[in-house]
Amino acid sequence: NAGVTQTPKFQVLKTGQSMTLQCAQDMNHNSMYWYRQDPGMGLRLIYYSASEGTTDKGEVPNGYNVSRLNKREFSLRLESAAPSQTSVYFCASSEAWGLGYTFGSGTRLTVV
Amino acid sequence: QQQVKQSPQSLIVQKGGISIINCAYENTAFDYFPWYQQFPGKGPALLIAIRPDVSEKKEGRFTISFNKSAKQFSLHIMDSQPGDSATYFCAAIPGTASKLTFGTGTRLQVTL
Repeated sequence: NAGVTQTPKFQVLKTGQSMTLQCAQDMNHNSMYWYRQDPGMGLRLIYYSASEGTTDKGEVPNGYNVSRLNKREFSLRLESAAPSQTSVYFCASSEAWGLGYTFGSGTRLTVV
Repeated sequence: QQQVKQSPQSLIVQKGGISIINCAYENTAFDYFPWYQQFPGKGPALLIAIRPDVSEKKEGRFTISFNKSAKQFSLHIMDSQPGDSATYFCAAIPGTASKLTFGTGTRLQVTL
């Protein structure tokens, strides 16, 4: 009963490097989301996928790309990491659009 | 632009006391108001939620009070316990065709 699994849990990148954050859910949820959490700013939506095969921008999409690989998996890619992308990243999923989010345990990313 | 304003940013309550966290919103289309609880190193987890057709919802020691005319809602934690120490996020969503918007979070510390 894993719920939402994120990998890796921690990552340090140098400015300009690229990486992909992985997310998988085993609840057969249709919708998936990527958020970033920064002190004093709450949770801000980066990208979301309302259903398999669709993706859309959220509040802070610049510098990121996503792929909804299948119903279970939703990845977030940083093409050229910047220090401003230092944050904790959370993946979430929901059965119906917007309701009852289940979050993963997060990826703590530091860009130096 | 913060669509859901949350206060206070931090809160210290003695064991057995009442913790109160407030949120206000502008978008009258919001019709679902969940609260999430987040422990250090973990992702947020759904705690309790309310729709605007009721003024109050209670689950154990946790109560949401909702004031539709004032566009405000609050979380009350009765008989607060040290295990309640966490960050709490209010959130809101307009119907089923949009995304969940989070408040900035309240860090609650319950002291002995």
